[in-house]
Amino acid sequence: DTAVSQTPKYLVTQMGNDKSIKCEQNLGHDTMYWYKQDSKKFLKIMFSYNNKELIINETVPNRFSPKSPDKAHLNLHINSLELGDSAVYFCASSQGGVRNQPQHFGDGTRLSIL
Amino acid sequence: GQQLNQSPQSMFIQEGEDVSMNCTSSSIFNTWLWYKQDPGEGPVLLIALYKAGELTSNGRLTAQFGITRKDSFLNISASIPSDVGIYFCAGQLITNAGKSTFGDGTTLTVKP
Repeated sequence: DTAVSQTPKYLVTQMGNDKSIKCEQNLGHDTMYWYKQDSKKFLKIMFSYNNKELIINETVPNRFSPKSPDKAHLNLHINSLELGDSAVYFCASSQGGVRNQPQHFGDGTRLSIL
Repeated sequence: GQQLNQSPQSMFIQEGEDVSMNCTSSSIFNTWLWYKQDPGEGPVLLIALYKAGELTSNGRLTAQFGITRKDSFLNISASIPSDVGIYFCAGQLITNAGKSTFGDGTTLTVKP
């Protein structure tokens, strides 16, 4: 009965490869997010989707492409991986509406680029 | 863009001591949130604050939404070893599609 689940939990790959991370939420939320947490633990938003539509797109290289097939899923595809992409990527979800609602986070995907 | 300054960056305390940490912003927020992150896991919500001046408790945790809407603090009373972790504040603006701006985190170590 995990609320926000991401796969894989660990991802180790070579520079230049393409990889995807999947996220699913069973909370019935209409908004999903991708965050990046670097080695200093800074959490920075990358993207947000509301009902499958992109609503937040921070300054992220276009090698990163999110895809939301439905409002319960938000996947992240990364092309031509670089050393600087090594980080923990967190998926989160929340319910939109008049009042901001807190985000529920997954347990993260630890991406290591060799 | 908006920036949050969270302090202190780290704390080393004895079990049983009280802890206080705070967050200040260069601009106002409509919502303040406090999260805790344990090793190997994602941040988990501790307290959400929606109104300037609001004081909310969750067990041994108490948080307040500053009157100016530019700051918030979190207190932990009578700390225990399982309080160890990274505590993040986050601010949200209603006009910003629910986007949360996070502070840099306070790493708490509790010595038994």
